[in-house]
Amino acid sequence: GAVVSQHPSWVICKSGTSVKIECRSLDFQATTMFWYRQFPKQSLMLMATSNEGSKATYEQGVEKDKFLINHASLTLSTLTVTSAHPEDSSFYICSARSPGRGDGYTFGSGTRLTVV
Amino acid sequence: SQKIEQNSEALNIQEGKTATLTCNYTNYSPAYLQWYRQDPGRGPVFLLLIRENEKEKRKERLKVTFDTTLKQSLFHITASQPADSATYLCALDNGHGQNFVFGPGTRLSVLP
Repeated sequence: GAVVSQHPSWVICKSGTSVKIECRSLDFQATTMFWYRQFPKQSLMLMATSNEGSKATYEQGVEKDKFLINHASLTLSTLTVTSAHPEDSSFYICSARSPGRGDGYTFGSGTRLTVV
Repeated sequence: SQKIEQNSEALNIQEGKTATLTCNYTNYSPAYLQWYRQDPGRGPVFLLLIRENEKEKRKERLKVTFDTTLKQSLFHITASQPADSATYLCALDNGHGQNFVFGPGTRLSVLP
């Protein structure tokens, strides 16, 4: 089945630095990928929709200058958390629509970001 | 505004019993309703998708129903096992790759 690989699985960074998270579709092309964040014991909240070759679409309340999204190819989308602060600590997950009909979305394994 | 509710934050059942989870929604007309499983520290895993014109769908020990009049989906796990313990999320999809929203999830614990 479709696989989405997300890297790194966890990262600790100092406040003020930037962190890049990669999301790759391994065996299919994804013109659109989605980025979510999830706080403990809460559901996934969509942050932005990443479109190959064009600008990402951000959800209301998500700072586009802080969460930079680049979707340079049909198999790779990246999320860069710029000037990270402790409140950005969260679980970030990407997804893409699975290529098979009726197969829902395929999610990456997530990235646990801790800003100290 | 759109709202998705799942019957309870947590549900405990005995091994071998049928677990029934509920997903209710308002102010939304989904083309599809999906169910996912999420284990701690992992991304969600797709389980089943049911279309607005379908009443029921099954996959092994899983069964999903969809009532667009009641705006409700029921998710059943028969002959539950401790390995079924996880958080289960329902998600609504308008079918256009947009406005895909998750419910808050139900944390299921199957007790041996």
